[in-house]
Amino acid sequence: ETGVTQSPTHLIKTRGQQVTLRCSSQSGHNTVSWYQQALGQGPQFIFQYYREEENGRGNFPPRFSGLQFPNYSSELNVNALELDDSALYLCASSRPEMNTGELFFGEGSRLTVL
Amino acid sequence: GESVGLHLPTLSVQEGDNSIINCAYSNSASDYFIWYKQESGKGPQFIIDIRSNMDKRQGQRVTVLLNKTVKHLSLQIAATQPGDSAVYFCAETSRYNNNDMRFGAGTRLTVKP
Repeated sequence: ETGVTQSPTHLIKTRGQQVTLRCSSQSGHNTVSWYQQALGQGPQFIFQYYREEENGRGNFPPRFSGLQFPNYSSELNVNALELDDSALYLCASSRPEMNTGELFFGEGSRLTVL
Repeated sequence: GESVGLHLPTLSVQEGDNSIINCAYSNSASDYFIWYKQESGKGPQFIIDIRSNMDKRQGQRVTVLLNKTVKHLSLQIAATQPGDSAVYFCAETSRYNNNDMRFGAGTRLTVKP
């Protein structure tokens, strides 16, 4: 186990709704990255938070937003949900000061948009 | 655009055989590569990594080979076991900067008893 926990594990929403996904990073890790994984595809980078600031963003629209808290836990918010937002959302924590790019992933939150 | 990709989407091997999973990358600036294993219903799990100043790195039953000339990466699994059945992803990012780790589409490895 990686020590990264995500909630909820599964959820169903309808188009136009908003969703908040949560992630607790591994102890000692100050960086959280969020990925979207569509069925049968590799994870796609959404954004990363380092010390409560956004530290890089992938090709996702502004309706994807996030937060990181002082305890390094994080939230991913998606507004105006679309059918294509249905995917597994993965959170990964890391600590760049360790000089390794290894990401420690949680088991994900599976979002279904109807 | 630049991408990380895999040669084969599926691979089936007999238990005890060696497995080789291949990956091509096109970003010549990439200097850090990682292999992840993802079992059904779980998040990706780190297997092994390699930096661009190396061409081979060995772990427990796994070896990663990097050929920068042809931008090719491979993962070798020795004596493949049923527990190795999973989807394997190669990923690349810049050294010490993993704020844009790019993953390939994955190869599904099935180990037959």
